[in-house]
Amino acid sequence: GAVVSQHPSRVICKSGTSVKIECRSLDFQATTMFWYRQFPKQSLMLMATSNEGSKATYEQGVEKDKFLINHASLTLSTLTVTSAHPEDSSFYICSAREEGAVLGQPQHFGDGTRLSIL
Amino acid sequence: SQKIEQNSEALNIQEGKTATLTCNYTNYSPAYLQWYRQDPGRGPVFLLLIRENEKEKRKERLKVTFDTTLKQSLFHITASQPADSATYLCALDGVDSSYKLIFGSGTRLLVRP
Repeated sequence: GAVVSQHPSRVICKSGTSVKIECRSLDFQATTMFWYRQFPKQSLMLMATSNEGSKATYEQGVEKDKFLINHASLTLSTLTVTSAHPEDSSFYICSAREEGAVLGQPQHFGDGTRLSIL
Repeated sequence: SQKIEQNSEALNIQEGKTATLTCNYTNYSPAYLQWYRQDPGRGPVFLLLIRENEKEKRKERLKVTFDTTLKQSLFHITASQPADSATYLCALDGVDSSYKLIFGSGTRLLVRP
């Protein structure tokens, strides 16, 4: 159980393109989803916390107009990288918490999206 | 400043030996500490969670300790196998009232047959 599906797994596109990444919880409802960014051999850096039905909370230094997050249902959150540039190339990973989960419970991660901007 | 550190050097051990990975943190007071496994090009997979009032937690060949005085967690894999080769991430949980996890940069483990 507790499967998170992330799509697409890999995107290669031209500079200036906007890219949408989907994160779905397949067998549970997720009130909260998280979006991370990971550079090679580095830690997962939290970009934003996405709450169903409300605006996302962005971490310091993350441009909310650049990384648009929508969490329209209890099973789907999307991250749109607008007007992507080569420096946005990275591995983007989402995770989800089960509805009703309290502190001290694991997050369930998707398999990530490798974004390459040419 | 706040930091969470794991050995950046890869850990290379012989099959059958015990692997010990370290996670140290500074200027945080986590209520929980979690360990994840990450394979190349994949998302992290949850392994174990330990609470601040627990000294040790075990699951099959895995053991985690948590010393809030030293601000350190140790992660052990006994009778290691080549299939255990991966990057292992520690994550601080409950550092504030949010549900955010704060990850270390991970330690790569290589188990030689």
